[in-house]
Amino acid sequence: NAGVTQTPKFRILKIGQSMTLQCTQDMNHNYMYWYRQDPGMGLKLIYYSVGAGITDKGEVPNGYNVSRSTTEDFPLRLELAAPSQTSVYFCASTRQGEVGNTIYFGEGSWLTVV
Amino acid sequence: KQEVTQIPAALSVPEGENLVLNCSFTDSAIYNLQWFRQDPGKGLTSLLLIQSSQREQTSGRLNASLDKSSGRSTLYIAASQPGDSATYLCAVRSNDYKLSFGAGTTVTVRA
Repeated sequence: NAGVTQTPKFRILKIGQSMTLQCTQDMNHNYMYWYRQDPGMGLKLIYYSVGAGITDKGEVPNGYNVSRSTTEDFPLRLELAAPSQTSVYFCASTRQGEVGNTIYFGEGSWLTVV
Repeated sequence: KQEVTQIPAALSVPEGENLVLNCSFTDSAIYNLQWFRQDPGKGLTSLLLIQSSQREQTSGRLNASLDKSSGRSTLYIAASQPGDSATYLCAVRSNDYKLSFGAGTTVTVRA
């Protein structure tokens, strides 16, 4: 199994541009998350989803949008990129209700806004 | 709002010494607690997961304890090796399935 796959791995954006970070998981997990990690800081939750068609804001949702049309995919859209969105982005997934429901993370997407 | 704190922020030990990493959280109403390892430029790898009803979990040289009432978890790594050098993150999962992270402890094991 591939687990959680994120693309792209690296991207440089100009201020004001938009882009979508892709995330897909093949474990049939119902819960999916987007986090950002800034240097020396813990991960901050941007958005999460408890199932297809259901999304909710986390701690730092401003400047981002998400959708969850399928169980497998949870793309994160950055609208009008700003330098403050320079960060490492991680997608994660887990299953509700299972014993030992570990959260699995993707490899991360490094985004620089210049 | 759940706040997660990890102390110390950095730790340097000689090879063979035991490591003790601390994690504290403010809201004891948790679903589980998970310890992760992160290597530079990489994603997070799950090390141990402790359910809220458990007191500890063990995997090889790693042992994690959980004291929910005092809002604390401790990760012990026995007989440290240079390959244990990494950042260790504590994450607390609340009953609403949100995951709150500490800032991590960066460990350096000197050969």
